[in-house]
Amino acid sequence: QVQLQESGPGLVKPSETLSLTCSVTDASVSSDYWSWIRQPPGKGLEWIAYISYSGSTDYNPSLESRVTISLDTSKNHFSLILSSVTAADTAVYYCARRVWDTSGEPYFDSWGQGTLVTVSS
Amino acid sequence: SSEVTQDPAVSVALGQTVEITCRGDSLRRHYASWYQQKPGQAPLVVVYGKNSRPSGIPDRFSGSGSGNTASLTITGAQAEDEADYYCLSRDNRNFYVLFGGGTKLTVL
Repeated sequence: QVQLQESGPGLVKPSETLSLTCSVTDASVSSDYWSWIRQPPGKGLEWIAYISYSGSTDYNPSLESRVTISLDTSKNHFSLILSSVTAADTAVYYCARRVWDTSGEPYFDSWGQGTLVTVSS
Repeated sequence: SSEVTQDPAVSVALGQTVEITCRGDSLRRHYASWYQQKPGQAPLVVVYGKNSRPSGIPDRFSGSGSGNTASLTITGAQAEDEADYYCLSRDNRNFYVLFGGGTKLTVL
């Protein structure tokens, strides 16, 4: 059973950079596809970005100019960087594994527990 | 870009059947996956693909689709099914995905 665990600061100042890491256990980041998803308090889910085992990436167009996702195979984790944060970036941030079903449709089969990041001075 | 929409709230009497729907142009070409989220917990996939369930998900959960609409059906809803439900669809781009806004299910 794949396990994912987010880590990073719980408080970030406006205009600064948010950095999170997702540690993966019982799976290798050198295989599969990995994503970040966030959920503002009391609101719905928003996909942020994905990275493949080979390092190819894709980003939500609404966040693309501020987001970077990366992979560290030596530590078996992947990371998220979100720059120039505002209060609107306050959310629970989840990391997840993305897989495909037999018809080629993607879905997220494993999730971390989530970490709340608050943007405030 | 595309979007997928859900009704904000649905209620069902205990033991009855309820359908939660998701609408969007992308659903004409792609199957949705469905996620259950209880307060304070991470989402959990309950249905994916044409109509598949992960191990451990009760068979009262099923998925279907027609035209621009995908549906999650719970046959014989239980109290523990009370949760928020989100659909996920692939966009026209290969790896871009979209979540619906979520439906809060109340079991009466």
